[in-house]
Amino acid sequence: SQELEQSPQSLIVQEGKNLTINCTSSKTLYGLYWYKQKYGEGLIFLMMLQKGGEEKSHEKITAKLDEKKQQSSLHITASQPSHAGIYLCGADDQYGNKLVFGAGTILRVKS
Amino acid sequence: DTAVSQTPKYLVTQMGNDKSIKCEQNLGHDTMYWYKQDSKKFLKIMFSYNNKELIINETVPNRFSPKSPDKAHLNLHINSLELGDSAVYFCASSPQGTYNSPLHFGNGTRLTVT
Repeated sequence: SQELEQSPQSLIVQEGKNLTINCTSSKTLYGLYWYKQKYGEGLIFLMMLQKGGEEKSHEKITAKLDEKKQQSSLHITASQPSHAGIYLCGADDQYGNKLVFGAGTILRVKS
Repeated sequence: DTAVSQTPKYLVTQMGNDKSIKCEQNLGHDTMYWYKQDSKKFLKIMFSYNNKELIINETVPNRFSPKSPDKAHLNLHINSLELGDSAVYFCASSPQGTYNSPLHFGNGTRLTVT
C-alpha cells in the first residue's frame, strides 16, 4: 500500500522566516494534495498538484510536485503566526477511491 | 452555510456503550468518507460510500457500522466502545471519488472513551 513520509515532523520558526515541508511517496503519485489543520478544526484544502513539475501558489504558500522523485514540497515565505498549524499531504490511490495521508508536520511560528 | 457538518463535535462516553456520529453534506457530492485521526494526528480512512453504495471498508472492526440513508448523509455507529476508539473522527465528501478532486472535510468529532 502507498505510504507518504513527511519531513520534518515538527518545525518552530521565527516570524518572517521561510520554511519548507516535504512529502515523499513510496509509490507513483497520481495526485497530491496539501491540507492545513488547526487545533479542534477540520482540514482546510490548500492546493492540488497533478502533473510533474507543476507548481501552484496561494498567497505566501507555494507547492511543487516532482513526479520523478515522487515528492512534493510546500514552501512558506515570510511566515506569520497565522501559518501555524498541522500541514498534511495526501495522495490519490491508483483507483481514485481514497486519499492516503502523511503523518503531518506541526508548524509553530514564534512572534 | 456549512458544507460538511458533523454532530456532535465532542462525545464523551464509557466503555461498552453504543454511540452514533452523524454527517451531512450540502455540496451535492456523490462520495462520502469517514476518516479516523489518532492521537499522533495520523489520518486513516475507514469507509467510503458512493451514492449510498459501500466502496471502501478498510479493515475496520465490525463494531463500526456506517449507514448512508441518502447520498447527502453518512452516519457512523459504534457498538461496544473501547478505550482504543478514542480519536477524532472526520467526515469528508468529494464529487466523485478522489481522482483530481480534493476532499471537503467536516470539523471532526472528538470521541473520548473512559
